[in-house]
Amino acid sequence: KAGVTQTPRYLIKTRGQQVTLSCSPISGHRSVSWYQQTPGQGLQFLFEYFSETQRNKGNFPGRFSGRQFSNSRSEMNVSTLELGDSALYLCASSRDPGGTEAFFGQGTRLTVV
Amino acid sequence: AQTVTQSQPEMSVQEAETVTLSCTYDTSESDYYLFWYKQPPSRQMILVIRQEAYKQQNATENRFSVNFQKAAKSFSLKISDSQLGDAAMYFCAFRIYNQGGKLIFGQGTELSVKP
Repeated sequence: KAGVTQTPRYLIKTRGQQVTLSCSPISGHRSVSWYQQTPGQGLQFLFEYFSETQRNKGNFPGRFSGRQFSNSRSEMNVSTLELGDSALYLCASSRDPGGTEAFFGQGTRLTVV
Repeated sequence: AQTVTQSQPEMSVQEAETVTLSCTYDTSESDYYLFWYKQPPSRQMILVIRQEAYKQQNATENRFSVNFQKAAKSFSLKISDSQLGDAAMYFCAFRIYNQGGKLIFGQGTELSVKP
């Protein structure tokens, strides 16, 4: 059974650009959550999607957005990139929002220059 | 505020020895789950062990066990017979039962294992 797949693994963008990251959950998992990991702030929750609906959102500016498709795959988008957006973005999937175990992907390392 | 505190940024253990990683948390909720995740250099977060807050019995998974003290809001991880492959960053986290999948993480403890 394939794990959580995040693409791309690495990305370099310029300030002001926008970026889209993708996450394919484990087959049968319908809940996808996104986290930002930085050395200074640690792991912070971005948002959660279930059945194509955003169920929960963290304390991030509106430049961060996401969506989920009918096949449960999810994308997150960051517009008008800032240097501080450089981070490891992790995606986690679970069967549903109440699932006791979340499985994480290997992340996308975003560098903003 | 819901927070997780890991007071040990770094820990070191000799191979085959036992080490305990500390974690305290703060929440006003009574129903929640607690987790320890391991993040090796590959960056993939791997679930080590989980504990339901309503269960008094401490969870155990092979060489990994927890000491859960609900009243003290403490959730420490004990690793027995440490192996070189245990070297990683360890994160303590919790999730409120009726608040979906949102995990609140601590800052992590970097564990090194000496041969």
